[in-house]
Amino acid sequence: DAGVIQSPRHEVTEMGQEVTLRCKPISGHDYLFWYRQTMMRGLELLIYFNNNVPIDDSGMPEDRFSAKMPNASFSTLKIQPSEPRDSAVYFCASSRGGYEKLFFGSGTQLSVL
Amino acid sequence: AQSVTQLDSQVPVFEEAPVELRCNYSSSVSVYLFWYVQYPNQGLQLLLKYLSGSTLVKGINGFEAEFNKSQTSFHLRKPSVHISDTAEYFCAVSGETSYDKVIFGPGTSLSVIP
Repeated sequence: DAGVIQSPRHEVTEMGQEVTLRCKPISGHDYLFWYRQTMMRGLELLIYFNNNVPIDDSGMPEDRFSAKMPNASFSTLKIQPSEPRDSAVYFCASSRGGYEKLFFGSGTQLSVL
Repeated sequence: AQSVTQLDSQVPVFEEAPVELRCNYSSSVSVYLFWYVQYPNQGLQLLLKYLSGSTLVKGINGFEAEFNKSQTSFHLRKPSVHISDTAEYFCAVSGETSYDKVIFGPGTSLSVIP
């Protein structure tokens, strides 16, 4: 079991650029979550999917953020345009059900200059 | 809306001493409760969870937690800590709007001193 795979591990970009974060969940898991972690706000749930369908995106901060899950093995989180306040660690997690064990990826450290 | 409070942002403790990390939640409905641990530069890992049944829950690495409905608490304990327990610990809850939606507390940084 390869676990949840996120790419890239680190991303440094300039303000205004488009950023795309990628996630491959564990095979057989039908829930996928995107979280953002910062010192100030802790771990925030941005959006989660069930069977590739977005269920709750109330945590997405602004229209600059969008997430897709075109199939059961791939999801993206896109920020366009990026801003310095978007700098954070972005985690993807998957599970067989939200109350079941969440398996987290190693995260993407995003720095927007 | 449900929320999770972790009263201590940092807890230093000597090796082999006991430790308790406190967690309180607020919710008007029955909830599920979790403790996760995050080691440096890694994602979170599940330590234990309470869904129903016995209020004393045992997890991995010798940790346990007790659910107290009247006090809306779910404190994490370990009788004797090791250097390798140094990490960030997160209490989490689900159930207010959906049992699928897991909300995390702000975290407690546990530092084990040799």
